[in-house]
Amino acid sequence: SQTIHQWPATLVQPVGSPLSLECTVEGTSNPNLYWYRQAAGRGLQLLFYSVGIGQISSEVPQNLSASRPQDRQFILSSKKLLLSDSGFYLCAWRGQFNTEAFFGQGTRLTVV
Amino acid sequence: AQSVTQLGSHVSVSEGALVLLRCNYSSSVPPYLFWYVQYPNQGLQLLLKYTSAATLVKGINGFEAEFKKSETSFHLTKPSAHMSDAAEYFCAVKRQNFVFGPGTRLSVLP
Repeated sequence: SQTIHQWPATLVQPVGSPLSLECTVEGTSNPNLYWYRQAAGRGLQLLFYSVGIGQISSEVPQNLSASRPQDRQFILSSKKLLLSDSGFYLCAWRGQFNTEAFFGQGTRLTVV
Repeated sequence: AQSVTQLGSHVSVSEGALVLLRCNYSSSVPPYLFWYVQYPNQGLQLLLKYTSAATLVKGINGFEAEFKKSETSFHLTKPSAHMSDAAEYFCAVKRQNFVFGPGTRLSVLP
């Protein structure tokens, strides 16, 4: 069966520090991968999605970047965090033959 | 562009009462539609999905939703609320990518 791992679960980082959040999927090949951000009391905002290795589409220009170095690995990064980067970050995947997306457990990032 | 609206950011019901969470979408062509549930500090879990088969879709935990093309709606219902249903619920539509509604927080009162 397929599983998705996202870590860390919580993170407190100072303003100006770098960020690296990792997401891996097991049990499937060539999934579509997504990074979403959920700000307090708000819905989900799509940040990046990827249909294959090295293929990244950015939905919203901001202080973040994403990379897909391997088929089932998706990384969200920042060189210098801002206070406004605080939020709940969710990784998700969709298989080639699925219509729905499956979500990781999320990372709560607090920038102080 | 697609959009999803969820009427009511917060809905409260008594335990045992009917749950009705509203979702309307805008799309020129009927899309795939989904309801997800999110418990505090967790990811989203799929409740049910509509993929152009039966218009009444049954999901997990006793929830169901009805696709009404004429009303562009996909409301979520459950006949009898349970305390464990308290969570945030998101309606989503998919054409190329997923677009989520703003969410509705469901509280269940004893």
